[in-house]
Amino acid sequence: EVQLVESGGGLVQPGGSLSLSCAASAFTFSTYWMSWVRQAPGKGLEWVANIKADGSEKNYVDSVKGRFTISRDNAENSLYLQMNSLRAEDTALYYCASMIFGGPFDIWGQGTMVTVSS
Amino acid sequence: DIQMTQSPSSLSASVGDRVTITCRASQSISNYLNWYQQKPGKAPKVLIYAASSLQSGVPSRFSGSGSGTDFTLTITNLQPEDFATYYCQQSHSAPRTFGQGTKVEIK
Repeated sequence: EVQLVESGGGLVQPGGSLSLSCAASAFTFSTYWMSWVRQAPGKGLEWVANIKADGSEKNYVDSVKGRFTISRDNAENSLYLQMNSLRAEDTALYYCASMIFGGPFDIWGQGTMVTVSS
Repeated sequence: DIQMTQSPSSLSASVGDRVTITCRASQSISNYLNWYQQKPGKAPKVLIYAASSLQSGVPSRFSGSGSGTDFTLTITNLQPEDFATYYCQQSHSAPRTFGQGTKVEIK
């Protein structure tokens, strides 16, 4: 079964760090762009970052530039998001999703919750 | 950044109704427009890609149209399982922005 499974979420204090992981299975992970998309409680969807299939290109939403880093390990079929200098407004459910370049986010995980609070 | 504006933000409809949701981009995005359905506690699911192409496995009562800046998602013969929140999203350029969502509720 084609699947993405996120992990690593939790409660962290403002200014803290957290690292998210996303494990892919049953599809050719190494050929897909991958993204992180987040959803604050009761709010809409916000694209956070994406990374090219070979890792050579990365893009970020302005609000996380310089704080978040997206990376991948194609040998391990895994996607990562290193989040530093976390703020209350980063509180959200973080989804990883495969992305067809120029097309939709077609495979989604179930999300991992990040809560930034003192 | 390209801003995506959906309307309405919510609507009430009955089973069997025809429902139309619109999405406007702040600049031309050709046909780089996708539609998603999200049910409570679930991840979004792609319904329509490239403005009018139906994703595999999605019922044919869902359809999309438009190009440039103005797009429409239409649900004909609304079914009980269609009550959800719908989002448009542009895949023309980064940041890949979403509309604010349209909640379709039971009348």
